Amino acid sequence: SQQGEEDPQALSIQEGENATMNCSYKTSINNLQWYRQNSGRGLVHLILIRSNEREKHSGRLRVTLDTSKKSSSLLITASRAADTASYFCATDAGNSGAGSYQLTFGKGTKLSVIP
Amino acid sequence: DTGVSQDPRHKITKRGQNVTFRCDPISEHNRLYWYRQTLGQGPEFLTYFQNEAQLEKSRLLSDRFSAERPKGSFSTLEIQRTEQGDSAMYLCASSAWGDTQYFGPGTRLTVL
Repeated sequence: SQQGEEDPQALSIQEGENATMNCSYKTSINNLQWYRQNSGRGLVHLILIRSNEREKHSGRLRVTLDTSKKSSSLLITASRAADTASYFCATDAGNSGAGSYQLTFGKGTKLSVIP
Repeated sequence: DTGVSQDPRHKITKRGQNVTFRCDPISEHNRLYWYRQTLGQGPEFLTYFQNEAQLEKSRLLSDRFSAERPKGSFSTLEIQRTEQGDSAMYLCASSAWGDTQYFGPGTRLTVL
C-alpha cells in the first residue's frame, strides 16, 4: 500500500521559479527519502532526512520534516528545465538502527519546468 | 564506482512464457531489493536480500515469482507463466546495510 502521498500530483512552473512539493505519511518512520525519476527511467536518490532531523539542504534542494504532522516538503529553488521529472517521497518504517529494507513510495508529483 | 545495473532493459514476451531479469548491485553492497512500478504509480516493494538470504517478501510476490541471490552478489527475478498484469517496470536497488537505496535503470516488461 502507498504510505506517502505527494501533493500536488502535477506542478507546472517557469524556469527560475521555486517548486514546492509536499508528502504526507501515516506511520512512524526511521527516515524519509526523496527520489527523482525521469520519464521511463530509474530513480535517482536526492536526499535523506532522518526522523530526528527537521531540515536538510543539498545544493538547490531543501527538505523539511515535521514528524508531529507526519509530513515533509521538498523545495527546489531556481528551477531549471532539466528538473522536469517525477518526484517521489519514500518512507522507511524499519526498526530504528536496523536500516531500511522496505521503502514505501507515494504516487509522485510530476514537475514540469517551462523554459 | 559503477551503479546498479539491470539486464535486459526491455523485455517483450507472450502471455504464459517465463522471463528472468538480472540485477548487479553496487559492489560491496550487502542489501539488494526488488520493486515493481506500474504506470502512474510509485514503486512497490517486492522482496529484499541481505547477502544471499532472502529476508522479506511482499504479498505482491505470488508463487509465480521467484528471486535468488546465490552468492550474495547479483540477483535474478524470474516470473513464470507471465500474465498481462505482470507488465510493469521492475526496479532493483542496493544499499550498504541501511539508509540510502540506490536504484538501477529498471527492466520494462511488456506481456502481450
